[in-house]
Amino acid sequence: DSGVTQTPKHLITATGQRVTLRCSPRSGDLSVYWYQQSLDQGLQFLIQYYNGEERAKGNILERFSAQQFPDLHSELNLSSLELGDSALYFCASSSRTGTGELFFGEGSRLTVL
Amino acid sequence: QQPVQSPQAVILREGEDAVINCSSSKALYSVHWYRQKHGEAPVFLMILLKGGEQKGHEKISASFNEKKQQSSLYLTASQLSYSGTYFCGTEKGYQKVTFGIGTKLQVIP
Repeated sequence: DSGVTQTPKHLITATGQRVTLRCSPRSGDLSVYWYQQSLDQGLQFLIQYYNGEERAKGNILERFSAQQFPDLHSELNLSSLELGDSALYFCASSSRTGTGELFFGEGSRLTVL
Repeated sequence: QQPVQSPQAVILREGEDAVINCSSSKALYSVHWYRQKHGEAPVFLMILLKGGEQKGHEKISASFNEKKQQSSLYLTASQLSYSGTYFCGTEKGYQKVTFGIGTKLQVIP
């Protein structure tokens, strides 16, 4: 157990819909990352937050948005969903006071039909 | 910029050794290595920091050539439990970690 909690674990929805994925980082970790992993693909970096502020942005579509709240949990919002958005979405957290390693949650598997 | 990993896949027999390489075109602050088993989350193995410091797994070693922006992960005396996909992640700053497409490793009896 990494200490990072993601909900929901599985989500099935239709094209055009909107979903929200939630992540609670490890206690005390200020950084939250979101990654997208499509079938047999690597981990595509989407976005990073540090203590509530956006720190870095990757290949995140305009239809996707995220935020980190004062209690440090984060949400990834995916809208106008397309078939190609079907993927495993991972959240990870890290602490600069530790080794710098990323602790990954178990992921949210999104299926768009 | 996504780091480049090689090989893309490798099959080993138990007890054999393997090397997985990772290279980047940009100057790096650190290199991370993770292993992901099918259907599970990636798990931290090793982090190599600029300046030579290493932190991580006891039975797996790695190197980081800062001048060439290259890292290699050394798996010795492989065990069945080593099977999985290995990802290298490169960090240029602000803790943004970008991953390669991974190397699939299968260890067979």
